[in-house]
Amino acid sequence: KNEVEQSPQNLTAQEGEFITINCSYSVGISALHWLQQHPGGGIVSLFMLSSGKKKHGRLIATINIQEKHSSLHITASHPRDSAVYICAVRWQGKLTFGTGTRLQVTL
Amino acid sequence: GAVVSQHPSRVICKSGTSVKIECRSLDFQATTMFWYRQFPKQSLMLMATSNEGSKATYEQGVEKDKFLINHASLTLSTLTVTSAHPEDSSFYICSARDQGAYEQYFGPGTRLTVT
Repeated sequence: KNEVEQSPQNLTAQEGEFITINCSYSVGISALHWLQQHPGGGIVSLFMLSSGKKKHGRLIATINIQEKHSSLHITASHPRDSAVYICAVRWQGKLTFGTGTRLQVTL
Repeated sequence: GAVVSQHPSRVICKSGTSVKIECRSLDFQATTMFWYRQFPKQSLMLMATSNEGSKATYEQGVEKDKFLINHASLTLSTLTVTSAHPEDSSFYICSARDQGAYEQYFGPGTRLTVT
């Protein structure tokens, strides 16, 4: 069983839609990261959370430590948001990664 | 934000040769760097953790004699794939942790193809 589960695995949305990607984990963590990986492969760190909520532009990330759950929201989605979004938890000093959510935003 | 660079971005080599990949933290000091491997449509798998000035810690199943890691300074770590084989073809990503901080920054990755 993977310590980090993401849903959905694939997501197609139309431009302008509100998007939610979920991440559940089963271990005690010190921090959770949301990462973005574009088709070229490079990874960008979007957020690091240990509690509450963070916002950056059209992106919002929340975490509920008691429920071991985090969500990444994208408001007013745009085709340039198309990428793989990866949840990673810091556990025992290392990052453990989810399998990613592949997002495709169409015009 | 902090920047991590990798070089080269792509490399093609013949089976049996060795390839060195560099990872640099450009505007911060990284006492710890991580090397990951990613197969197509799969998640990142941690290969090893390197701490400046000491030996790397390899994950179970990763051959340390095949994947040589050197972290000689606070801004540079190298991964050398020795005697490369086609099954070593993969996307290798390094990550660096800012000294004393929790944040971890990722390099752009190196795509290795062994023919």
